[in-house]
Amino acid sequence: AQSVTQLDSHVSVSEGTPVLLRCNYSSSYSPSLFWYVQHPNKGLQLLLKYTSAATLVKGINGFEAEFKKSETSFHLTKPSAHMSDAAEYFCVVSPSGGSYIPTFGRGTSLIVHP
Amino acid sequence: DAMVIQNPRYQVTQFGKPVTLSCSQTLNHNVMYWYQQKSSQAPKLLFHYYDKDFNNEADTPDNFQSRRPNTSFCFLDIRSPGLGDAAMYLCATSRGNQAGTSTDTQYFGPGTRLTVL
Repeated sequence: AQSVTQLDSHVSVSEGTPVLLRCNYSSSYSPSLFWYVQHPNKGLQLLLKYTSAATLVKGINGFEAEFKKSETSFHLTKPSAHMSDAAEYFCVVSPSGGSYIPTFGRGTSLIVHP
Repeated sequence: DAMVIQNPRYQVTQFGKPVTLSCSQTLNHNVMYWYQQKSSQAPKLLFHYYDKDFNNEADTPDNFQSRRPNTSFCFLDIRSPGLGDAAMYLCATSRGNQAGTSTDTQYFGPGTRLTVL
């Protein structure tokens, strides 16, 4: 069994300040972990993914995430928020071992103030 | 450059009137998924195909059906839409690794927003 917990439903930051979106997971197998972004009325776009290579993963638009097995976490960060980062972010876990069915977190809405 | 295409982007139907949403892909991926997403919620998986093998989620209502006539196309049929079926419907694909791992990225279409009057 697997699950994902996104610890914050909303995160509000000022433009130019750091972003932290938190994600904890549980999985019976060595998981693959993903962060997707969804802008209003759009589909989901992959930001980055972890697949058991480097624990610090760099993605698009300046985002990165660090896989911490001991803490079962995969938090998403960005040093400096931009207005265009305002969107919904989903943390997703996908197990190894033959399943193609990922599990989504409930999402975190990132609000960026001027 | 569009890789996963959904038509139409917006669909309005009447209560109880059947509706079909379509999805096509240019990625030649084995796996295609249909998700339902309601406002401020995560996408909820309805079903998926691995090639021609259909896999229904246990809690997907019988009102929802799907067809995949070939690798490129997949359809979502809602036989008798109710007001509660108003949502964004997302199609996604993934390569489908033959080794059975799930490192695959999902590629999403832009979605079809369904309104039920």
